[in-house]
Parts: sequence; structure tokens; C-alpha cells
Amino acid sequence: GAVVSQHPSRVICKSGTSVKIECRSLDFQATTMFWYRQFPKQSLMLMATSNEGSKATYEQGVEKDKFLINHASLTLSTLTVTSAHPEDSSFYICSAKGTGYGNTIYFGEGSWLTVV
Amino acid sequence: AQSVTQPDIHITVSEGASLELRCNYSYGATPYLFWYVQSPGQGLQLLLKYFSGDTLVQGIKGFEAEFKRSQSSFNLRKPSVHWSDAAEYFCAVGEFGTSYGKLTFGQGTILTVHP
Repeated sequence: GAVVSQHPSRVICKSGTSVKIECRSLDFQATTMFWYRQFPKQSLMLMATSNEGSKATYEQGVEKDKFLINHASLTLSTLTVTSAHPEDSSFYICSAKGTGYGNTIYFGEGSWLTVV
Repeated sequence: AQSVTQPDIHITVSEGASLELRCNYSYGATPYLFWYVQSPGQGLQLLLKYFSGDTLVQGIKGFEAEFKRSQSSFNLRKPSVHWSDAAEYFCAVGEFGTSYGKLTFGQGTILTVHP
């Protein structure tokens, strides 16, 4: 079946540096991908919608200059956390859907980011 | 705006007992509804989904859910719980149209299974 892969699964970075997380659809083309954030013991909150070939749409309260999203191909979206701070430490998870309605939305395995 | 409420933060059941996890949603039009399961530190696995048609939906691992429009509910059930079902369960609602794929999640219900 369709699979969405995220990389890295865990990353530790120093405060002030940037880190990139990749989300790939492995056997289908994903025109749209979504990025969520999940703090410990909390639910998932949508951060942004990533559309192939166009700018991402950010949810209210999400800093677009801090969380850079690029969807350069039909199988890859990247989330870059710029100038990371400890409060950015979280579980980031992406989802992807193919073309047409009725298609299942698949989630990646998630990426744990720890900023020290 | 759409919203999802899972009233039970934590449920404990004995292995072999039946299970029902509650989910209530708020949405202005016909929603599409999902149940996902998440093991600690892992991503989300889809259990089942409702788009239209039969309001009783069968999913994987023996789970089912019933859509009740009059109650704005989409409760998840399993007749006999296995120890491996211990995890966190999320109900989610999505929109049709151009925002298809964009999901709003409930707070989650943690399921503990006693032997």
C-alpha cells in the first residue's frame, strides 16, 4: 500500500541552528502534504498545508519564516525549522494525499526534534 | 470552524472486554471522519474512515465505528480488546472540497489494557 516516509526519525540540534525534516510519498504522487506538530501528551495541530509548486499555507499562529516549507516535487515536502529554540522541541508529523477525492490520507512515522 | 471532542482522556479495560471510545464532532456540513491509532513515539495508523454510505464502518484489527448524524458522534468500538490494542486513539474530522486532507484532531484517548 501507499507509504509516507519521514526522515530523520529523531534529531537533536543546538539552539540557534536549523534543521530540515523530509516527508516523502513512496509509491504515489502527493499534490498536497500537511505538516502537524504534537507536543508531549497533546493532540496533533496542523501547522501548514504544502502544495506542490506553490507556497505553503500556514495556520494562524504559525510563523512562516521560522517553519519553512518546500514542496518541490510530487513526492517530497520538507520542513525546515530555522533558528531552533528549545521550545521548538516537539514531534513533527506529515501526511499526504494523492489526486482526487476519496483517497486515503497517509501519515508519516513522525520526527522527534530536540533542541538543546 | 470544525472541532472534535474525545471526552475520555484515559480508559482502562481488561483484556477480552469490549471497548467503546467516544468521539463528538462539530462541523457545518457532512464531515468525513477518521480514527487513527498511535503507539508511543510512533506515527499514526488509520483504523477506519467514514465518507458516506453505510453508517457502520468496519476497520482493521477488528475495530468498527458508527456515524450518528443526530448525535454528531463517531464512536469507535471493539468487541474484545487485546493487550496489543493499548495505545492512544485519535478521532479526526476533515472537510470536503479544496481543503480535503486537512484534519482536525481530538485530544486523544489513551487506552490501557489490563491482563
